[in-house]
Amino acid sequence: AQSVAQPEDQVNVAEGNPLTVKCTYSVSGNPYLFWYVQYPNRGLQFLLKYITGDNLVKGSYGFEAEFNKSQTSFHLKKPSALVSDSALYFCAVRDGTGGFKTIFGAGTRLFVKA
Amino acid sequence: GAVVSQHPSRVICKSGTSVKIECRSLDFQATTMFWYRQFPKKSLMLMATSNEGSKATYEQGVEKDKFLINHASLTLSTLTVTSAHPEDSSFYICSASSGMKNTEAFFGQGTRLTVV
Repeated sequence: AQSVAQPEDQVNVAEGNPLTVKCTYSVSGNPYLFWYVQYPNRGLQFLLKYITGDNLVKGSYGFEAEFNKSQTSFHLKKPSALVSDSALYFCAVRDGTGGFKTIFGAGTRLFVKA
Repeated sequence: GAVVSQHPSRVICKSGTSVKIECRSLDFQATTMFWYRQFPKKSLMLMATSNEGSKATYEQGVEKDKFLINHASLTLSTLTVTSAHPEDSSFYICSASSGMKNTEAFFGQGTRLTVV
């Protein structure tokens, strides 16, 4: 069965500092991995995905994520945080050899302080 | 990215009535649509997966007679909450996929349902 873990409920970082939001996953086949961001009372916006190829994936708004197969991790990173990055971030996984079901992590609230 | 429109964004209904939520893919054909429920400060819980022209596949613990899902066309799926009760109050989000497993799903803006 697929599962996703986001071990941190909240991440606090000062504006201008690098940020990392952690994600680990478990799937039976090859993973398709996604990061989404959610602003209050809104749907989810796609940030980036890993399907295959280069382990470092670059996405929207300056975010990137690194796929680490040995650690089954897909941490989201940004070199310099902005106050406007404050939101709820979800990691998601889909079993690449299975169906379309996408499982989401519990979410991590990012708070960037000015 | 592709656009998914969800309507209404907010609805208040009386206990015992039914509410229909629409999810439309505006610029692509969505062979598969997903319905999620999000509790306050919680993650998204997948309720069901629907494929155009066939019955939805419900996740364990989701009452299919209470949450009716119809995916009548490649651009429209509906979720009807029947005989709503206050405990059905939640944030419901749909997402749509073009059918390629290596592509991301696109999400609607969500519907805040309040049952009074």
